[in-house]
Amino acid sequence: GAVVSQHPSRVICKSGTSVKIECRSLDFQATTMFWYRQFPKKSLMLMATSNEGSKATYEQGVEKDKFLINHASLTLSTLTVTSAHPEDSSFYICSAETGGKYQPQHFGDGTRLSIL
Amino acid sequence: GQQLNQSPQSMFIQEGEDVSMNCTSSSIFNTWLWYKQDPGEGPVLLIALYKAGELTSNGRLTAQFGITRKDSFLNISASIPSDVGIYFCAGPPSSGSARQLTFGSGTQLTVLP
Repeated sequence: GAVVSQHPSRVICKSGTSVKIECRSLDFQATTMFWYRQFPKKSLMLMATSNEGSKATYEQGVEKDKFLINHASLTLSTLTVTSAHPEDSSFYICSAETGGKYQPQHFGDGTRLSIL
Repeated sequence: GQQLNQSPQSMFIQEGEDVSMNCTSSSIFNTWLWYKQDPGEGPVLLIALYKAGELTSNGRLTAQFGITRKDSFLNISASIPSDVGIYFCAGPPSSGSARQLTFGSGTQLTVLP
């Protein structure tokens, strides 16, 4: 089945650091990828929709200058948390879909980001 | 934005028991998806429902797409310890982007030996 790989799985870094998270579709071309944020014991909240070759669409309340998204190829989207602060600590999850006729999204294993 | 009301929030059951959880919405959904999330991992798709009234099984799991298109349920029969996790319903509301998912609040399932 469809496989989405997310890297790294865990990051611990100092406040002020920028952190890049990669999301790759391993066995299919993903025209659209999605980035979610999940707080402990909470549901997934969509942050942005990433379309290959175009600018990402951000959900209301998500700072696009804080969370930079690049989808340069059909198999890779990156999320960069710029100048991260402790309040940015969270579980970030990406998902991907193939486009065309609707197919359910397949999720990566998430990245646990901890900002000290 | 769209909201999915998922219940119950948590369940503690004995191994071997059957489980039922459901999602309701005030808006119509064109697709209902059920995912399971283990701790520290991303959600894994269990069942996808595409038509109102559809009843679909995946092993011990059965899910139905409500006739009104505003609800769905997931049943797990003869629960086992590895069923432990958080179960989410999700779907793209008919009024929004066809591809963006709204997630329910999740049902935390604990299976006692």
